[in-house]
Amino acid sequence: DAKTTQPPSMDCAEGRAANLPCNHSTISGNEYVYWYRQIHSQGPQYIIHGLKNNETNEMASLIITEDRKSSTLILPHATLRDTAVYYCIVRVLYNFNKFYFGSGTKLNVKP
Amino acid sequence: GAGVSQSPRYKVAKRGQDVALRCDPISGHVSLFWYQQALGQGPEFLTYFQNEAQLDKSGLPSDRFFAERPEGSVSTLKIQRTQQEDSAVYLCASSSEDRIKQFFGPGTRLTVL
Repeated sequence: DAKTTQPPSMDCAEGRAANLPCNHSTISGNEYVYWYRQIHSQGPQYIIHGLKNNETNEMASLIITEDRKSSTLILPHATLRDTAVYYCIVRVLYNFNKFYFGSGTKLNVKP
Repeated sequence: GAGVSQSPRYKVAKRGQDVALRCDPISGHVSLFWYQQALGQGPEFLTYFQNEAQLDKSGLPSDRFFAERPEGSVSTLKIQRTQQEDSAVYLCASSSEDRIKQFFGPGTRLTVL
């Protein structure tokens, strides 16, 4: 699976959009981009995934560049409860395979 | 509905003791994963089961680590002769046949003194 690069930390004001970037320049054509987050003392939680089209669900939006070498997770109106470590992962969709989490981005939402 | 549960949530062991960590996956999920998460790091893969078959154990750090899932549901991760470097959070995840998402439990925090 391709590796990803994320900034170690970011700050965001409560109520503002949080935009979390991820670079995955070696992504293969059949690899999807996944985002998980981990709130302190909890297990990772699925947020969203996509292949090449932008995706949106009740939690977030995922914007993938046309060349698929980078993506951005958008939390439209960040709340204090969104403070967590956010992991960007790329993997082949239907393989059994494990997730490679990396170190993620610690998002600090401030009042 | 019930998610993935793990027990105990916290475990303190003296160096050299054996420990057993339990994972109850979501009912009907055929795939089960164990991960190890050191402080300040992302989770790292340990092993994977498809039903009762252990298909990948490449992430187990030593032969002191052993996992089983005898009936294809509950899984146990056993660590023999624990060492201080085994201190970590052990996460269990399960997924359904489509393998699209993994659902994680809260983890067991193991501290080896």
